Amino acid sequence: EPEVTQTPSHQVTQMGQEVILRCVPISNHLYFYWYRQILGQKVEFLVSFYNNEISEKSEIFDDQFSVERPDGSNFTLKIRSTKLEDSAMYFCASSDEVREFFGPGTRLTVL
Amino acid sequence: GDSVTQMEGPVTLSEEAFLTINCTYTATGYPSLFWYVQYPGEGLQLLLKATKADDKGSNKGFEATYRKETTSFHLEKGSVQVSDSAVYFCALGPRGNQGGKLIFGQGTELSVKP
Repeated sequence: EPEVTQTPSHQVTQMGQEVILRCVPISNHLYFYWYRQILGQKVEFLVSFYNNEISEKSEIFDDQFSVERPDGSNFTLKIRSTKLEDSAMYFCASSDEVREFFGPGTRLTVL
Repeated sequence: GDSVTQMEGPVTLSEEAFLTINCTYTATGYPSLFWYVQYPGEGLQLLLKATKADDKGSNKGFEATYRKETTSFHLEKGSVQVSDSAVYFCALGPRGNQGGKLIFGQGTELSVKP
């Protein structure tokens, strides 16, 4: 079965630093998403991306966050200046309009 | 806004026991409902889904019925195996899930002992 991949699997950073989380969605999918899960809490929607632009975003997705699909295969989430509360598991997903496929996640730890 | 509530875990069962994980939802309109499973170290995988009232989703021995009157989508399995140990997430999304976001419950950890 095709799969979504994410790198790195674990990222440790200092507060205030920029991080970029990378995802390779399934190749013929058109919809892309980022979700996050703070330890012990719900999986929360961050942003959806379609046709090279953000189609929906949550209140969590403030000016510190941005997404990009720079080369037609990668889909990235950038956090400009990380805060302690950004520590979470970040999941990328892509959709073929029938179902969403999730990646294994990147665990982000902000110290 | 839309939301999903699941029973709290962890749930610990013996092999071959009957499983129920409760899930209720609040939504405007007519959402699709999903169960996702997360095995240790892996991403979320779609387990089953139902797109309209009274639909039953099923996969790998798991079943869930979309109950509009009780706004529920409880997950059941008649005889669990050790390999079913995982975290289970109930979720809702737009009808047909055409590019729309998913709203998840908090997840229920299942541990099955031999």
